[in-house]
This record gives sequence, structure tokens and C-alpha cells, in this order.
Amino acid sequence: AQTVTQSQPEMSVQEAETVTLSCTYDTSENNYYLFWYKQPPSRQMILVIRQEAYKQQNATENRFSVNFQKAAKSFSLKISDSQLGDTAMYFCAFMSRKDYKLSFGAGTTVTVRA
Amino acid sequence: ETGVTQTPRHLVMGMTNKKSLKCEQHLGHNAMYWYKQSAKKPLELMFVYNFKEQTENNSVPSRFSPECPNSSHLFLHLHTLQPEDSALYLCASSQDAQAGELFFGEGSRLTVL
Repeated sequence: AQTVTQSQPEMSVQEAETVTLSCTYDTSENNYYLFWYKQPPSRQMILVIRQEAYKQQNATENRFSVNFQKAAKSFSLKISDSQLGDTAMYFCAFMSRKDYKLSFGAGTTVTVRA
Repeated sequence: ETGVTQTPRHLVMGMTNKKSLKCEQHLGHNAMYWYKQSAKKPLELMFVYNFKEQTENNSVPSRFSPECPNSSHLFLHLHTLQPEDSALYLCASSQDAQAGELFFGEGSRLTVL
């Protein structure tokens, strides 16, 4: 399995501010997918954003955007204009296009303060 | 309304008990998964079923036994568990095993005494 590292166990951000979550991964492959999933307290995990490795353009979904640095094997998530509903655990995930196995990081807990 | 439903939401069992977790998806997907989520650890993939066939058993102890009677239902049968098996067990589904987007249930919180 690929290794996905999220170095920030917890982060706190003021409402309306911006927060950036880091993620690095280890792979020798060239073709893969990257994802950020969100798990709110006591609710199911949902997909926030996905990036295909062959695409140079960074993915964006409303207030969520990524900074994909393929050479550095880095995939950070930026949450702009943070809202209280963004409070959740965020998981970075890697999927190889060889075996289609999804590997998750340990997660970053984000708390948005009012 | 969630497309993936897990029952029970909470389960407490002794080490000698036999219980089962149930997962049902209403999304018309063909792949279903069991993951184990422990605090401060990455999600651990346990089993994958694709078109009702088990395609992945990630070195899971035999005290966990999956069953997939059809593409909409997935069970995890539990027998003679250990306290370290206490965790949140997540079920997920996807269009097929090569689809990147998983749809998760809310999880079953298992406590083994």
C-alpha cells in the first residue's frame, strides 16, 4: 500500500478565514488519483475534491481548492472563507491506477471557531 | 437520507459473543467495502467485494467474516473478538472497484469488553 502522510493532527481556524491542510504521499507511479474526504462529527465521510495526476490544473470545488505538486508528491487542501459546518476530520487519500486500492492518511481534525 | 446505511450504529459485545454488522446501499453500486477506523490511525481497508465477489482480504483475522449476498448488502460477522478490535467500522460502496469515489455509511461503533 502507498503511504499517505498528514503531518497536522489538528488545526483551528477562525470563521471566514483560510486554512491549509498538508498531505504528502509516497509512490513510484505516474498515474494515480488523489482525494480529500471530509468526516463531520458523527456523520458519514464524503468526498470533497479529487485530482487526477495527469492533470496539471489544480482542482477546485467552491471554497475548496488543492495545490497539487506532483514532483514534490504534495497535495494540500485549502479551505477558504471557513464556515462552522467545515468542522470535521479531513482525510487525504491516494489511489493507484494499477491496483485501484485507496490508501488514506491518518486525518487532520479541523475546528472552525465562531 | 444517506445512500449507505449501517446497522447497528453502536454495539457492545463480550469477547465470546457472536454478532453481525449490516450495510445496505441504495445507490446501485457494484462494489462494497469494509474499513476499520481507529483513533489517530489511517483507515484500514479490510475487505472489498466487486460484483458480489470478494476481491480483497487485507490480512484480516478470521474472527472477522464478511458476507455479500447481493450487490446491495454487505455483512461483517464478528466472533471471539479482542478488546483491540474496538473501533468504528465503516462500510462504503462505489460504482465498481475501479471507481475512485467511495460513498460511506455513518459507521458502526464497536466496543469489545
